[in-house]
Amino acid sequence: QLQLQESGPGLVKPSETLSLTCTVSGDSINSNSYYWVWVRQPPGKGLEWIGSIYFGGSTYYNPSLKSRVTISVDTSRNQFSLKLRSVTAADTAVYYCARQSCSSTSCPFDYWGQGTLVTVSS
Amino acid sequence: QSALTQPPSASGSPGQSVTISCTGTSSDVGGYNYVSWYQQHPGKAPKLVIYEVTERPSGVPDRFSGSKSGNTASLTVSGLQAEDEADYYCSSYAGSNNFVVFGGGTKLTVL
Repeated sequence: QLQLQESGPGLVKPSETLSLTCTVSGDSINSNSYYWVWVRQPPGKGLEWIGSIYFGGSTYYNPSLKSRVTISVDTSRNQFSLKLRSVTAADTAVYYCARQSCSSTSCPFDYWGQGTLVTVSS
Repeated sequence: QSALTQPPSASGSPGQSVTISCTGTSSDVGGYNYVSWYQQHPGKAPKLVIYEVTERPSGVPDRFSGSKSGNTASLTVSGLQAEDEADYYCSSYAGSNNFVVFGGGTKLTVL
């Protein structure tokens, strides 16, 4: 059974960089047809796609966050990571990692981590 | 403001059916069959309930069904049960630049 687990600091100061890692177990991150994704949810609000990465390194980012986001993959550790620079209070959210299972006809997020709350505050 | 428009709330009594809409544009919902629906209970991660507009993942009851007409997708929950009370989010592929967009979510209440 595939499992994803987010890890990283729960508190980040304004203007600093938010860094999170997602550890994948139960399958190889090198598998074809999968993208690895970060999604966030501010308290009491809806879901926001941050970006997706393919194991080969291709990345897609939300245009509204693109200038501050980097998603990378470490196949040797079966992990992928998120860096969000110059954070503000508006970046306070539960951050989820997920798997995006893509075919020629669909590309849903079929497995999700439990999520981790990151608060931006001094 | 979310890219896809959903009603903020919906409700129904046990056993009834309820339909939640998700309206986008020809650049997302209307342009692709990559529409998915997610169920989220409080404090939990989202769970995929519909993908490719109408398909159900293994383990999702057939009470959940999806459809699409033009730029609007819909999720119907039939035979409502108390456990269906949750937030529901639609999403769609939106082309190589935007890639994925979500709706603002709909809170489904089972009366």
